[in-house]
Amino acid sequence: AQKVTQAQTEISVVEKEDVTLDCVYETRDTTYYLFWYKQPPSGELVFLIRRNSFDEQNEISGRYSWNFQKSTSSFNFTITASQVVDSAVYFCAPRVRSGGGADGLTFGKGTHLIIQP
Amino acid sequence: DVKVTQSSRYLVKRTGEKVFLECVQDMDHENMFWYRQDPGLGLRLIYFSYDVKMKEKGDIPEGYSVSREKKERFSLILESASTNQTSMYLCASSPPGRGRNIQYFGAGTRLSVL
Repeated sequence: AQKVTQAQTEISVVEKEDVTLDCVYETRDTTYYLFWYKQPPSGELVFLIRRNSFDEQNEISGRYSWNFQKSTSSFNFTITASQVVDSAVYFCAPRVRSGGGADGLTFGKGTHLIIQP
Repeated sequence: DVKVTQSSRYLVKRTGEKVFLECVQDMDHENMFWYRQDPGLGLRLIYFSYDVKMKEKGDIPEGYSVSREKKERFSLILESASTNQTSMYLCASSPPGRGRNIQYFGAGTRLSVL
């Protein structure tokens, strides 16, 4: 069963528009962590944010903000006033247990964000 | 800054060859990971190691093995490469502890098996 859903495969917006990337996850754990990573065209995943399941406050970092709602198992990511440099693939990654017993991250399929000038 | 280095950005191999993908990290991290990334499938965990000589299977270990002889180095081995192993391979490392630690990624190795 899929553990994390990023329903938007690709989003294209014009620079300076706001854009929200959705993430819905499944877990039976009561304590868990949620991550967002960015993968620019260079290929290297870059960490953006980590959130503890006990902390439901929204997080804002510059033009980036995250809305965590435990009741709906969602952890959405908003970019305000988007810029061309924000173009990348964005992955939501809840730290859920994998079927194999390993403790790696479970990644969504990613949302390819295209910011047009 | 944490640095995770993968020895090759691009590799082309023949079906049936034995392939080694190397990953080195310089932050003395206990945990190291191998993922593969395919279009439409996101990243999937292949293997994970939490200490030297220790390993755990991830979600898709079939056709792969790993080696961790030194703390800083984690190798992914394709014993007999097949065309369905053509993919982008990503290595990551993190400090010890389960669940909460940030993983740091290398730039990836794009492997083509012909």
